[in-house]
Formats: sequence, C-alpha cells, structure tokens
Amino acid sequence: NAGVTQTPKFRVLKTGQSMTLLCAQDMNHEYMYWYRQDPGMGLRLIHYSVGEGTTAKGEVPDGYNVSRLKKQNFLLGLESAAPSQTSVYFCASIGQTSGNTIYFGEGSWLTVV
Amino acid sequence: GEDVEQSLFLSVREGDSSVINCTYTDSSSTYLYWYKQEPGAGLQLLTYIFSNMDMKQDQRLTVLLNKKDKHLSLRIADTQTGDSAIYFCADAYSGAGSYQLTFGKGTKLSVIP
Repeated sequence: NAGVTQTPKFRVLKTGQSMTLLCAQDMNHEYMYWYRQDPGMGLRLIHYSVGEGTTAKGEVPDGYNVSRLKKQNFLLGLESAAPSQTSVYFCASIGQTSGNTIYFGEGSWLTVV
Repeated sequence: GEDVEQSLFLSVREGDSSVINCTYTDSSSTYLYWYKQEPGAGLQLLTYIFSNMDMKQDQRLTVLLNKKDKHLSLRIADTQTGDSAIYFCADAYSGAGSYQLTFGKGTKLSVIP
C-alpha cells in the first residue's frame, strides 16, 4: 500500500548514543518533514526538505541532523541523544500526486534514558 | 512566527454536537486542516478547507472559516464515544518553494456516554 513508513517504531536509547530514524514514501512526493510531538505541545517541525538533496531547519532543529540523498527517503539523525529528545516523532510528505493531502507516518516512539 | 491556538479540553455528552475552535495568525494561509489523533496512534486527516471558502461539510463534520477573524471551527454532529480523541488544527503556508504546516497544541475531546 502507498504511504509513509517510519522505522523503527519504538526505540530506547542511552544518553549520548546516536541513532537514525528512517522515513520512506513511495508516492514520489517532493516535500518531506520531520515533526516531534510532546504532551501539551502539539507537533513542532524539526527539519524539512523540499526536494532531493535539500534540507532546511524548522522550529526546533537543535540536536538533530537530516539528509535527503534519495527522493523517497528522509533520514533524521540524533548524534548524541539527550533525555530532552524523548518524544514521538512523525514524518510527513506531500507532493503533486497528493493534491493538498499531507500524509503522515504512524510515528516513532523514542525514549532516551 | 506563525501561531495556531486551540483550547486544550472539551467535554460533551454522547449525541450532542461538539464544536472545536482554532485561531491562527498567518494571513497568507492557503489551506487549513483538521487532524484526529487517537491514543498511541498517528494523525488521521479529517478534512481541510481552502482559505477562500467559508464552509465545508462532510457527513457529520462541518468546518467553518472566518478569514477576517482568522477563526476556524470544526463541528461534529451527533458526537459518539468513538470521536473521543485529540483534534489538531493546522495552518498551511505555501511560498518560497516550500509548503509548511503549523499545528495547534490539540484539543482533547472527551465524550461522556
């Protein structure tokens, strides 16, 4: 089925460890986004990409890096995880094939201890 | 920057109508969205409205947009217990080769049987 797939769904990290979240979409979408969701804070944009090879900072970019080497994949990296990065991470994409519908992944639950 | 505001909680009786309100600040918004999130799940797009429309109806859902006051509302008719969830309002900005969503903090709807 077409859609946005995030991996992993759940992960527990120790402070200082690194990890990468992968977002993959098979809809040939141009735009991809990484959000984090925290209780009472709604969704906040971390980084986004308007096309292959391009990335830009969102509202809360510190502590994260991203890459868009292939159009279908958007990677979110934590180089040195901190407890403040415990959150639920959502990837989203939109493109000409989806009109104005923004597709979200199912979320990745990350706990940093 | 852009700001989207929602009240945090709403409680209604089963069978009554629910009205969830949202205000936004960006006068150049193109689309406004309503998403539903059930516990432990991702975001489900309920409906969206183009910024030059006043109203959109889709079965039990009615969206009203007052562009002058930058006020958006979602009315759910005949509210059911399955409607209990967090509802997010989101404002889309399109420009400078980008398309971005800004989310409100979410309104938790509790339906009393």
